[in-house]
Amino acid sequence: GAVVSQHPSRVICKSGTSVKIECRSLDFQATTMFWYRQFPKKSLMLMATSNEGSKATYEQGVEKDKFLINHASLTLSTLTVTSAHPEDSSFYICSASRGVGNQPQHFGDGTRLSIL
Amino acid sequence: ELKVEQNPLFLSMQEGKNYTIYCNYSTTSDRLYWYRQDPGKSLESLFVLLSNGAVKQEGRLMASLDTKARLSTLHITAAVHDLSATYFCAVDKIWGGSEKLVFGKGTKLTVNP
Repeated sequence: GAVVSQHPSRVICKSGTSVKIECRSLDFQATTMFWYRQFPKKSLMLMATSNEGSKATYEQGVEKDKFLINHASLTLSTLTVTSAHPEDSSFYICSASRGVGNQPQHFGDGTRLSIL
Repeated sequence: ELKVEQNPLFLSMQEGKNYTIYCNYSTTSDRLYWYRQDPGKSLESLFVLLSNGAVKQEGRLMASLDTKARLSTLHITAAVHDLSATYFCAVDKIWGGSEKLVFGKGTKLTVNP
């Protein structure tokens, strides 16, 4: 159990395009979802935490107008990279948990975003 | 601020040898995780360690936790090529009602035939 599906797995698009990435918990209700960014050969950096039905909490240095996060249901969160530029190219990984307190995070398969 | 340090960052070893990856963290934590990441892939959960003295083993990998020393180890026994990957430790902390995972920089393990 605890499967998290992330879609798409890879996207290549032109500069200026907005890109939406979906993260779904398939067999559990995810009260909290997390979005991470990983640069090549680097570790994961938490971008934001979202709780179902409320606004996302962004980490310092992450532009909330650039990276729009919506967590409208207990099984779906979306990350939209608005007006993407080449520097936004990265590997984006979501995770989901049943909530705070002794609930592990389950990771999606990641999305490779390439902006030309 | 919670910091997580892993060493070594790069590890090249021969098949059949043993080695240990270390993970130090700076403040008390609720849980410690070990993950594996293959190139171009997401994270695969290996172990979660909850309490002082916890030891878990899966195949050729064994993880332990010393909360007093704020240290976790991932021991590799008789390495095989299939273990080549990047290994991350991560420590979670509940801050202000939300939970955050802080990752180490990762250890890239290459097992040579």
